[in-house]
Amino acid sequence: DGGITQSPKYLFRKEGQNVTLSCEQNLNHDAMYWYRQDPGQGLRLIYYSQIVNDFQKGDIAEGYSVSREKKESFPLTVTSAQKNPTAFYLCASREGGRSEQYFGPGTRLTVT
Amino acid sequence: AQKITQTQPGMFVQEKEAVTLDCTYDTSDQSYGLFWYKQPSSGEMIFLIYQGSYDEQNATEGRYSLNFQKARKSANLVISASQLGDSAMYFCAMREGDTGFQKLVFGTGTRLLVSP
Repeated sequence: DGGITQSPKYLFRKEGQNVTLSCEQNLNHDAMYWYRQDPGQGLRLIYYSQIVNDFQKGDIAEGYSVSREKKESFPLTVTSAQKNPTAFYLCASREGGRSEQYFGPGTRLTVT
Repeated sequence: AQKITQTQPGMFVQEKEAVTLDCTYDTSDQSYGLFWYKQPSSGEMIFLIYQGSYDEQNATEGRYSLNFQKARKSANLVISASQLGDSAMYFCAMREGDTGFQKLVFGTGTRLLVSP
């Protein structure tokens, strides 16, 4: 089955620690995205990547970093510089030439 | 900047009835796209339907249809014959960018509750 996987589903960290969220897709999509969702809110774009080895900041990139070494993978690192990291994180991908983005199941990160 | 407004925080509908979820948008672009996504309690965002700004016909996908009124800048989602499994959050989104990079701007969502 083709799709997007994110792991883990729930993640707990202590304040001051960096944490990496995994996102893998086997849809052969070129573009990949990371969004953040806070309670009662819509999604906000953190980072996006259109091709391997290229990525751009979204609206709320401060305190986050990404890499895109493989087409299938787009991991997101939440650094200790992110002031309010507790949130629900969603990864998405999009086929070139199409408009709709397809989402993974999300990772709920709690930092205490 | 583009903006999506969903003014209904919550909607209630009885099973088998139709329901309309409102969405208005603001953009100065001539070319744009509008989407609806469903988010059940599990959290995953499920793509429902897409309407391009140049599409003359309203988009339909099964029980979902998008009532696109360009002059009023509205893109309402109509769900016909509601089912209990339709209970979820629904988000309207707009595509920024035409070719190459495309970013989605989301509204704050409407929670739909379908009762038996």
